[in-house]
Amino acid sequence: KQEVTQIPAALSVPEGENLVLNCSFTDSAIYNLQWFRQDPGKGLTSLLLIQSSQREQTSGRLNASLDKSSGRSTLYIAASQPGDSATYLCAVIIVRGSWGKFQFGAGTQVVVTP
Amino acid sequence: NAGVTQTPKFQVLKTGQSMTLQCAQDMNHEYMSWYRQDPGMGLRLIHYSVGAGITDQGEVPNGYNVSRSTTEDFPLRLLSAAPSQTSVYFCASSSTGGGRPNTEAFFGQGTRLTVV
Repeated sequence: KQEVTQIPAALSVPEGENLVLNCSFTDSAIYNLQWFRQDPGKGLTSLLLIQSSQREQTSGRLNASLDKSSGRSTLYIAASQPGDSATYLCAVIIVRGSWGKFQFGAGTQVVVTP
Repeated sequence: NAGVTQTPKFQVLKTGQSMTLQCAQDMNHEYMSWYRQDPGMGLRLIHYSVGAGITDQGEVPNGYNVSRSTTEDFPLRLLSAAPSQTSVYFCASSSTGGGRPNTEAFFGQGTRLTVV
């Protein structure tokens, strides 16, 4: 069974520091991997999608890497801002038979202090 | 473009009552799914669908029913509500290629359900 783990569960950094969020998965046979942001009481907002054939994706201050062989993905957020405070979740898409399913990690709660 | 719309946003049920959580998307996505989110448990897949008339069970399907008669709508039915079903429910959709979700997933804003 695919297990998705995000460490640490919580992280607090001062404004301006770079954020490094980790996601690990046990089965390397993933279809793709997606990073999300969730604000309190809200739904999930997609940040980056990495196809299984890709090694990284970038959007603005965000960069996500994917290493399928080691079962790891890392989300980097450069020059953090208080507005980056949220919970960040990763999800892998696993293929079972003809269909695919998302499997989520429990998330990393980030607080960026001014 | 409304994206994924869930109704209601909040609901309180008594044990044993039934209800339907609504989910609609306007992006013509084939893949739709329901999750529940509980503290310390992350998001767990309840049911999913890869097109009208095609549904399958996820990780925690017991106590829930789904059907998909149109591409746009994917309602989740609670047959006889139990306190263990107190949770936040999210609906998501994405496009597919060969039945596999290969594009980014879009989520609704969630339904916060309390069963007393």
